[in-house]
Amino acid sequence: ETGVTQSPTHLIKTRGQQVTLRCSSQSGHNTVSWYQQALGQGPQFIFQYYREEENGRGNFPPRFSGLQFPNYSSELNVNALELDDSALYLCASSLGSVGIPLGETQYFGPGTRLLVL
Amino acid sequence: GIQVEQSPPDLILQEGANSTLRCNFSDSVNNLQWFHQNPWGQLINLFYIPSGTKQNGRLSATTVATERYSLLYISSSQTTDSGVYFCAEDSYGQNFVFGPGTRLSVLP
Repeated sequence: ETGVTQSPTHLIKTRGQQVTLRCSSQSGHNTVSWYQQALGQGPQFIFQYYREEENGRGNFPPRFSGLQFPNYSSELNVNALELDDSALYLCASSLGSVGIPLGETQYFGPGTRLLVL
Repeated sequence: GIQVEQSPPDLILQEGANSTLRCNFSDSVNNLQWFHQNPWGQLINLFYIPSGTKQNGRLSATTVATERYSLLYISSSQTTDSGVYFCAEDSYGQNFVFGPGTRLSVLP
């Protein structure tokens, strides 16, 4: 186990609805990154939050938004769901620190499987 | 941005066999990571290996940064090794860029 938890584990929504996914960071970590993994593909970076502020974003539209709370847990919100949003959503927490590579501290949660019908 | 290729895309092995997975990068490699994703979706860090060779039990990895590739070796494979293996690079120290993965199936 990595110490990173996500909820819910599975979710079914219909097109046009909104969804909120949650992530609790590993103790001591101040950075959360979110990834989308479509079936049969590698994870793709959505965005990262560092100390409650967005700290980088991948090629995803504005209807993907996020929050990070003072305890460093995080939410991913997706509005106006589309069929292509069906995927495994992974969060990863890390200790954001200049000069320390991600691989040294970043750990992934078990993911939330979202199905959009 | 950096492009990551992995080969082979799929691999089926008999238990006890050895295998080599390869990862190629389009740009310089600074912070290369290997992951294993189990059938339930959990991504597990295997190696942080920007250069050189590391070993952990039956797994070892080698990165030749100057030639922009990395290899993951699995010896005496077990059914629990099944899943998808990803390599990834975090060139900007912010997020990983993942390859498409190698799907490994180890048969009993």
